[in-house]
Amino acid sequence: DVKVTQSSRYLVKRTGEKVFLECVQDMDHENMFWYRQDPGLGLRLIYFSYDVKMKEKGDIPEGYSVSREKKERFSLILESASTNQTSMYLCASSPTGTGGNQPQHFGDGTRLSIL
Amino acid sequence: AQSVTQLGSHVSVSEGALVLLRCNYSSSVPPYLFWYVQYPNQGLQLLLKYTTGATLVKGINGFEAEFKKSETSFHLTKPSAHMSDAAEYFCAVGRGSGGYNKLIFGAGTRLAVHP
Repeated sequence: DVKVTQSSRYLVKRTGEKVFLECVQDMDHENMFWYRQDPGLGLRLIYFSYDVKMKEKGDIPEGYSVSREKKERFSLILESASTNQTSMYLCASSPTGTGGNQPQHFGDGTRLSIL
Repeated sequence: AQSVTQLGSHVSVSEGALVLLRCNYSSSVPPYLFWYVQYPNQGLQLLLKYTTGATLVKGINGFEAEFKKSETSFHLTKPSAHMSDAAEYFCAVGRGSGGYNKLIFGAGTRLAVHP
């Protein structure tokens, strides 16, 4: 089974802090994704990566950056945390597909609170 | 551009009753469609997927979905609800070109099962 591991289940940080969320997958997948999940809005794509050191903006990249130095690890960075970034963050990975024909595999999520 | 609409943010059924969760999509190309389930404080788990071939797709936990091109629908059903089916369900459609394998998610439907 694919295993996607997010480093923290719950995290509390303060406004203005630099926050790192870490994600590791063990299936040698090329693609990795970061989403945020808010009630009534479903999942919204923040950033994704299709190869080491390669990244693309998703639908809501403002206030976030990412890093992928190794194939198995994808980090989400909140440069200066704000209260409107309080949310559930989900990491996912998938193999290369065509037009979205491969499912994504998700971690258990990190519930982040910014005070 | 692809999009997904889930009709009904909350659905409530009795244990043993039919479960029907509705999903309509828009896509200018043959769609790849997925249903995911999310239990409280967990990530998303793949229930089933439609890529090509048979339009009736069977998934885990007794769920199935039928792809109806003429109705642009991919509704999820289960003949007899169990208490353990209480969760949030997300429909998703594959999008984009190339191997990026991005998905678009609906807003989700929360299923409640009562005795």
